Amino acid sequence: GESVGLHLPTLSVQEGDNSIINCAYSNSASDYFIWYKQESGKGPQFIIDIRSNMDKRQGQRVTVLLNKTVKHLSLQIAATQPGDSAVYFCAEKDWGGGNKLTFGTGTQLKVEL
Amino acid sequence: KAGVTQTPRYLIKTRGQQVTLSCSPISGHRSVSWYQQTPGQGLQFLFEYFSETQRNKGNFPGRFSGRQFSNSRSEMNVSTLELGDSALYLCASSTGLAGFQETQYFGPGTRLLVL
Repeated sequence: GESVGLHLPTLSVQEGDNSIINCAYSNSASDYFIWYKQESGKGPQFIIDIRSNMDKRQGQRVTVLLNKTVKHLSLQIAATQPGDSAVYFCAEKDWGGGNKLTFGTGTQLKVEL
Repeated sequence: KAGVTQTPRYLIKTRGQQVTLSCSPISGHRSVSWYQQTPGQGLQFLFEYFSETQRNKGNFPGRFSGRQFSNSRSEMNVSTLELGDSALYLCASSTGLAGFQETQYFGPGTRLLVL
């Protein structure tokens, strides 16, 4: 069935380093991808999105890369800060699913001082 | 603009009871989606409502139902609660008008514990 999965359940980085969080998806019909950040006790917070006709999109300190050939998505966080510590989810939609988001399993990012 | 609000934030129920959760979307948003988050299953889509009509449905039993009011506020109901229904229930809102490639914004969730 359809699934979106993350390679690494936990990622530990030093403050100031760059972080890379990866995500694999299996639904070839996926057309839209989103990264969410979820802090303890809060709902997922939108970080950045990318449409399938793009390979790369940049935001403030974040970059999302999409490789449709191998169905892989990554989130790069530059100069990681303690406030970046959270669980990060990738999610995808396909054109036939309306607003239904299919989420990956999540990666815990821990920023060490 | 105020964000998505959910009430109550915490709830304790016993098996067999029913529960109703409420979600108020961002002003102007007409689409409300509900998700269940558990450690074992992660985030799973329950259903989406747009203009008082269910527009999408996930793979959950009929004990899970929802509705949307004319002011776009939405409620979800779970009847005959089971221990496995213990979860964080999240709702997300969007305009519902920009097609599938539109951003959804999540509320803080309602933490339900079934004893």
